[in-house]
Formats: sequence, C-alpha cells, structure tokens
Amino acid sequence: GAGVSQSPRYKVAKRGQDVALRCDPISGHVSLFWYQQALGQGPEFLTYFQNEAQLDKSGLPSDRFFAERPEGSVSTLKIQRTQQEDSAVYLCASSPIPPRSAPWVNSPLHFGNGTRLTVT
Amino acid sequence: DAKTTQPPSMDCAEGRAANLPCNHSTISGNEYVYWYRQIHSQGPQYIIHGLKNNETNEMASLIITEDRKSSTLILPHATLRDTAVYYCIVRDDYKLSFGAGTTVTVRA
Repeated sequence: GAGVSQSPRYKVAKRGQDVALRCDPISGHVSLFWYQQALGQGPEFLTYFQNEAQLDKSGLPSDRFFAERPEGSVSTLKIQRTQQEDSAVYLCASSPIPPRSAPWVNSPLHFGNGTRLTVT
Repeated sequence: DAKTTQPPSMDCAEGRAANLPCNHSTISGNEYVYWYRQIHSQGPQYIIHGLKNNETNEMASLIITEDRKSSTLILPHATLRDTAVYYCIVRDDYKLSFGAGTTVTVRA
C-alpha cells in the first residue's frame, strides 16, 4: 500500500531563496509530524498537526519556518530566506489516530523518505 | 536531555542474533519503549514497542527488564539488509524524541 510520500526528494536552493516541501500522508491519517535531521544526527521534532490544526510548533527553529495543512491531508513546510544551516533532511510522518486518546501508544508513526535540502 | 543511552556502534555476523541494548533508567510508569531503525537514505522504520511485557513480532523481539530501566532489542537472524541506525525511544507523548542511536553493521 501507499506510504508517506514526500517531494521533492532533493532540493538545492541558493541562500536567501524560499523553498516549499510537500508531504502526502497515508490516507486517513489524522496526525502529521515534521522532523529535521542534520547529517549524522537523529531526527528532531519540528511541528505537529491533528487534522488541519497545528497543535505544536515548538520545534520550528525560527520564524522563517512555516507549516500548513489546510484541508487536513497534504502538508507543506515552507522555509523563507534559506540559510546554510537549514541544510538537512526534512522528514514527514503520519499516524492514524489522534494522540491523547486511549490507544495512541499502539499507533506508531510512519515516516516518509524525506526531502534532502542543500542550501548553497 | 536524552532519556535513553545506547552504544554508538556494534557489529554482528550475518545469520546470528543481534542483541541491541538500551538504558532508560529514568523511565516513568506511563512511558513506553519504542524501537525504530533507519536504513541509509530512508526514513525511520517502526520495529516494535512495549510497556513492561516482552513483545515479539515478525521483525524482532523486545525484552524489558522487570524494573524497566533497560531493554534489549533482538534481531533473531541478522541479514545484511539489517545494517542501519537503531533508535531506542522512551515515549509518553505524541512526539517521538530520537537520540543518536546505535549504528549496527551486519558483516557477511
């Protein structure tokens, strides 16, 4: 079956350009997460959506980062005025049930293969 | 602050069992132990999770000590395709918080 799909797979941007990264979660999954993974490190949480509501954006590193999920399915992570330190793999994950209800711990996150962003 | 401690790397022989340790001495009663792995150039892949009982699925077994301060992930018959970074995560919330993981190399 279809998993989490992310596009583009690779993105090269010149410093100062804006970029938009897309995530298509598994159909019907209400929860969606964005993570950032620097080279050689584990993924770091950026933001979380439940349907179209952004419930946690505590991990976004600056106000240049913006995420949206207007219809509760596809999500876009936008980075404005990219800097070299933004170079990383951006991972999207989805899960099929809302957390904070009884069975959430039995519902793992399903990750896409990420978008590798290189800022030159 | 990291909630888990894992060795940075380990090797294992193809066809043998791989035992991956994880310390989580500050784990609290409602926190679950999750394991993910990440093969090169792919996203993290869910392996298994548990609270206090040992768990087994088609990929691996999870052994959690009685005091829940440590656990071991067992890959029963390692193959070259199991070469990956393995993450042990303590989870009580909607987020997963990844550490540095263990780089496991399976050698022929």
